[in-house]
Amino acid sequence: DAKTTQPPSMDCAEGRAANLPCNHSTISGNEYVYWYRQIHSQGPQYIIHGLKNNETNEMASLIITEDRKSSTLILPHATLRDTAVYYCIVRTRSGGSYIPTFGRGTSLIVHP
Amino acid sequence: DTGVSQDPRHKITKRGQNVTFRCDPISEHNRLYWYRQTLGQGPEFLTYFQNEAQLEKSRLLSDRFSAERPKGSFSTLEIQRTEQGDSAMYLCASSPPRMGVIMADTEAFFGQGTRLTVV
Repeated sequence: DAKTTQPPSMDCAEGRAANLPCNHSTISGNEYVYWYRQIHSQGPQYIIHGLKNNETNEMASLIITEDRKSSTLILPHATLRDTAVYYCIVRTRSGGSYIPTFGRGTSLIVHP
Repeated sequence: DTGVSQDPRHKITKRGQNVTFRCDPISEHNRLYWYRQTLGQGPEFLTYFQNEAQLEKSRLLSDRFSAERPKGSFSTLEIQRTEQGDSAMYLCASSPPRMGVIMADTEAFFGQGTRLTVV
C-alpha cells in the first residue's frame, strides 16, 4: 500500500505559480496519484489525477517523475481562493477494494 | 442532480443520544464512502459500499456505528449512544463504476459533510 508525504504548509504570492510536492516512493507501478483540495468547512474537491504522464486540466497541472516516486501539483496563477489544504493521495488496498486514503495534506496560503 | 448531498448539514446532540445521517450520492454512482474528519486532520475512512454491499469497514467504525445502503442508492450512517469524541465532520463521497483495467480508477466526489457536535 502506497503512502504519501507532503510538507505541512506552504505559502505563495497571488498571481504566482504554486508548486506543491508529494512523495509516494512506495507507489505500485499501476496505481494512480490523485490530488484533492479542501477549503475550510467544505468537502474535499477533486483536482486532478495521473498515472505516468503529466496531466493538465482547467484547474492545475500534475507533473509525475519518471520513477513515479514523487509528483508536483502546479497551480499556474494562484489566487486568494486557492487557499486550502491540498491532499495528495493514492488508493490504499483494503481487502479487495481500493480506498482513497488521506494524510494531513499541505496547507497552502495564498497571500496578496 | 448536481452533486453528493448530505443531510443534515449540522447536528447538535446530547451525549448518549442516537443520531442518523443521510447521504445521497450522484446518480449512477455505485460506489459510496463514509469518512470522518476532525479538526486539523485529513478525512479518515470509515466504510465503503459497492451498490448495496458494504465491502469495507475501518477499525474506526466501532459497534456503535452502523451504515446501510439498502437499495444501492442513498446511504445512512447511524451513531448510537453518542460520545463527545464522536464530534467531527462526517463526509460522504461517491464514485462511478470503475473502468475495465483494475487500477484505472475514477475520482471520488464529496458532499459538504454533516458536522456533528456532541454536548
